[in-house]
This record gives sequence, structure tokens and C-alpha cells, in this order.
Amino acid sequence: EAQVTQNPRYLITVTGKKLTVTCSQNMNHEYMSWYRQDPGLGLRQIYYSMNVEVTDKGDVPEGYKVSRKEKRNFPLILESPSPNQTSLYFCASRATGSGNTIYFGEGSWLTVV
Amino acid sequence: KQEVTQIPAALSVPEGENLVLNCSFTDSAIYNLQWFRQDPGKGLTSLLLIQSSQREQTSGRLNASLDKSSGRSTLYIAASQPGDSATYLCAVDDYKLSFGAGTTVTVRA
Repeated sequence: EAQVTQNPRYLITVTGKKLTVTCSQNMNHEYMSWYRQDPGLGLRQIYYSMNVEVTDKGDVPEGYKVSRKEKRNFPLILESPSPNQTSLYFCASRATGSGNTIYFGEGSWLTVV
Repeated sequence: KQEVTQIPAALSVPEGENLVLNCSFTDSAIYNLQWFRQDPGKGLTSLLLIQSSQREQTSGRLNASLDKSSGRSTLYIAASQPGDSATYLCAVDDYKLSFGAGTTVTVRA
């Protein structure tokens, strides 16, 4: 079954404590991306990756890091989380090219206190 | 930078009425446009994908059109039902994937 898997699904953490949200896909997709969703602001792209070792900033990259060492994994790293990073996070993937469906993970609820 | 706008932001209709949701984008150099549904606190469910070479796609009561030259897509939902209540998002795929803020639909029984 085609899947994008995120972990953890729910997390409450404290300001400044480094955390990683993992994302893994089983479809051999080249493209992967992270979004955050906040009320009234829609889905905003944080980072995206066109392939292994190729990453680029999205619209709201400040305070986040990513890496793409393997095709299937694209972790999102918050080095020093702050309360304004409290949000719902989604990972997505798709194959490169026209006509390819975007697949989303189920989302990760992150609260920073 | 691709800008995606969805109008209206919210919509409330009685059951049985047809729904028309609009999505506009600023850069017509796109691969695809995809419509999603999102229920409160949940993930995104893909509804329809229109390739850049296509004008429309249909699935059951849903029909989506694409006019690249004018930078517009419209999602039509025929004979709405209370179960159609959700937020509908359009995603413009120009390799970056840009989303509109969504249209929140309420269908009243």
C-alpha cells in the first residue's frame, strides 16, 4: 500500500529542546516536501527536496532544517523549537513529472510550551 | 513566486444545492493542479488531479476544470450532501507545490 508515514503524530515539547519529525515514503518518489498548517494561513511550505541530497527552502524555512540522505526519508529538524512553531505539520511526496498524484502523511501535531 | 488564491473562504449551502469553488494562480507554467478535501484535524484526501494538458476531470459528483491561460480552476460538486462539509484545498504543482488557503464548506441538512 502506498504510504507516507510521519512520526510522532502528537508531541508536546518545551522551548529549546531539539526534536525531529520523521517522514518516510514507500513509493520511491523523488520529490518530498514539508508543510505547516495554521488557522487562516493554509498550508505553507517549509522545505522541499527534488531528490537525494537536493533540498531547497520553501516559504517559511526559518527555524527548521532538513536532510535527504536516502530517497525514502525526509526528516524535519527543529534545532531549538519556539512556541511560534506550534502547528500541524504535513509531509508529502510524489513522483517527478506531470500527472503524478501528491501523497500526504496523516500529519503531526506539535505543541511547543 | 506562485500565488494561489481560493474564493470564497467559506460557503454555506442547503443540502441539494450545487457547489462552485474557485482557485486562481499567478504562474501558468504548471505540471498539474490537484484538489484535496480536509476534514477538521485530519489529513488531506486527494479528490481530483488535472494534468496541465487537460481541461477537466470528473469523478462521480465532482468535476474540476482547468484554464491555464487565465490561471483558474473550478471545482463543481453536484447535489451537495451534509457529508460534503469540509475544507477544500487546491494545490498548484509547478514542482514546488503551492496551496491555496482553502474554502470551508458547510452543507445544511
